[in-house]
Amino acid sequence: DAGVTQSPTHLIKTRGQHVTLRCSPISGHKSVSWYQQVLGQGPQFIFQYYEKEERGRGNFPDRFSARQFPNYSSEPNVNALLLGDSALYLCASSLAPADQGTTDTQYFGPGTRLTVL
Amino acid sequence: QKEVEQNSGPLSVPEGAIASLNCTYSDRGSQSFFWYRQYSGKSPELIMSIYSNGDKEDGRFTAQLNKASQYVSLLIRDSQPSDSATYLCAVREGKTSYDKVIFGPGTSLSVIP
Repeated sequence: DAGVTQSPTHLIKTRGQHVTLRCSPISGHKSVSWYQQVLGQGPQFIFQYYEKEERGRGNFPDRFSARQFPNYSSEPNVNALLLGDSALYLCASSLAPADQGTTDTQYFGPGTRLTVL
Repeated sequence: QKEVEQNSGPLSVPEGAIASLNCTYSDRGSQSFFWYRQYSGKSPELIMSIYSNGDKEDGRFTAQLNKASQYVSLLIRDSQPSDSATYLCAVREGKTSYDKVIFGPGTSLSVIP
């Protein structure tokens, strides 16, 4: 089975532009979470999507938004890009069983490296 | 602000030694704990998960959890140069799949041949 896939691998944008990233979860996984990882730091939670709804959000501005599709794939958008948005964006998928939240485990895709100039 | 803390390192151990990585967390309600390994320029890769107090072994890796002390650790026995990476401790805040997972800053491990 394929793991979590993300596209594109790398992306270069300029300040003020917007960007759309893409993620396909592991087959059977219903939840997709997005993380931002700046060099030298741990991943920071942006938001989680399940059944096409945002289920949780970290401390990120409204410039960050996303959608989840019926096949559970997800596309986050970042508007009005800032230099500080340069980072590795990670998608993580999990089964998200309703009655086994404790053991639900996230698996990461390869990430998208975004550079804002 | 719920936090996960790790020693940033770098931690250097000779090949064949035991590497000990430590993590503390602030949320007493946390039930799920994970260790990920991240090679430079790559995405995190799950090593182990642990949910109950005590030890959990998987090959050369042993995770230890002490909820009373809010402490989780990872031991790597017979360390190999290929174990050189950053190790991320992650903690789920609550008991549901919708509770967010918080990551520590990571500990950089270097295994010296």
